[in-house]
Amino acid sequence: DAGVIQSPRHEVTEMGQEVTLRCKPISGHDYLFWYRQTMMRGLELLIYFNNNVPIDDSGMPEDRFSAKMPNASFSTLKIQPSEPRDSAVYFCASSSHSSGGEETQYFGPGTRLLVL
Amino acid sequence: AQSVTQPDIHITVSEGASLELRCNYSYGATPYLFWYVQSPGQGLQLLLKYFSGDTLVQGIKGFEAEFKRSQSSFNLRKPSVHWSDAAEYFCAVAPWAGGFKTIFGAGTRLFVKA
Repeated sequence: DAGVIQSPRHEVTEMGQEVTLRCKPISGHDYLFWYRQTMMRGLELLIYFNNNVPIDDSGMPEDRFSAKMPNASFSTLKIQPSEPRDSAVYFCASSSHSSGGEETQYFGPGTRLLVL
Repeated sequence: AQSVTQPDIHITVSEGASLELRCNYSYGATPYLFWYVQSPGQGLQLLLKYFSGDTLVQGIKGFEAEFKRSQSSFNLRKPSVHWSDAAEYFCAVAPWAGGFKTIFGAGTRLFVKA
């Protein structure tokens, strides 16, 4: 299995521009998570989906952030307009809910975003 | 409110020495507990997890962790550290399996000296 795939791996943009981060979860996984990691705030859960439906977006920092999951194999996290304080590493993770409930989240390699 | 505390920002150990990374949590009930490792430029990889049963859990790469309810702790241990263990380690808690609303600690960076 290729694991969770994220693109791009690095993104440098200017303040005010739109940024779109992409994620392909592991095939068969029905949960998808978006996290943000910064030195100041550590690792934060932004939003997660179950069967392509957003379940909890309370971690999304503000309206400039939006996430979609149009199908089971693709999700996007969009920032519009971007600001320098959005600079961080964004991780996507997926998991499969099993009857035993002992599923594990598998993380992608992350997208390192720098907003100038 | 749920929280996870990793008291040590960084730790340096000699190769071959034993290791213990501390983790304390605050939660109303027994949560699900995880340890993840993150190598530079990489995502997080699960080392081990505790849901119930035996309070001493074994993980990958020779790591183990012990859940102590009375101390609200879930410390990670390894008897002999290898240079390749140098990384950042995160303790995490979740209200139920699957890691939904998982809360991560700030991380402990491990340095290994020859």
